Amino acid sequence: DTGVSQDPRHKITKRGQNVTFRCDPISEHNRLYWYRQTLGQGPEFLTYFQNEAQLEKSRLLSDRFSAERPKGSFSTLEIQRTEQGDSAMYLCASSTGFEFHEQFFGPGTRLTVL
Amino acid sequence: SQQGEEDPQALSIQEGENATMNCSYKTSINNLQWYRQNSGRGLVHLILIRSNEREKHSGRLRVTLDTSKKSSSLLITASRAADTASYFCATGGVTGTASKLTFGTGTRLQVTL
Repeated sequence: DTGVSQDPRHKITKRGQNVTFRCDPISEHNRLYWYRQTLGQGPEFLTYFQNEAQLEKSRLLSDRFSAERPKGSFSTLEIQRTEQGDSAMYLCASSTGFEFHEQFFGPGTRLTVL
Repeated sequence: SQQGEEDPQALSIQEGENATMNCSYKTSINNLQWYRQNSGRGLVHLILIRSNEREKHSGRLRVTLDTSKKSSSLLITASRAADTASYFCATGGVTGTASKLTFGTGTRLQVTL
């Protein structure tokens, strides 16, 4: 399967712990996005990369959140000192660099903070 | 924050009927996209309409866009049980934020046999 993959699919952690998620985009896509989705809501934009450069970050991305895409391929999203309010589905998407483009989403990582 | 609202929040129809859902947004856009989400497959792109287009078709899907009213509609004709899912509109900004998508709150569609 050459779609977007995310790992892990589920993560349960205790408040205060750090967690890291990984996203592998479609190989020829140079744009990679992270979104967060809570129950009953649409996805909310967190950040995006073009190749290895992080070009935009949402106000939702507090200083406890950090994202990297070191070689312009896979990306990691780390949450430090997790809080119960961080519980959500974290979605990764990728796209080509064309102006009008659809985004291809991965299955998501569901985070539960106890 | 969410770009806007989708209406209705939930819709229940019988197989074979048409389903119409509406999306309103707040700011100027570059394009508007519709996505489907179900528990089995995650978010799947359905159709993209550019800001200078008014209508677009793809199979059983028909999308309209009215930029003067900042609204869009998605029509699914001859619905099937497999169309049961949540449907989201998402807008792409004009400049600077053109790459990110801002999603609506979604319409939950239930198609019964």
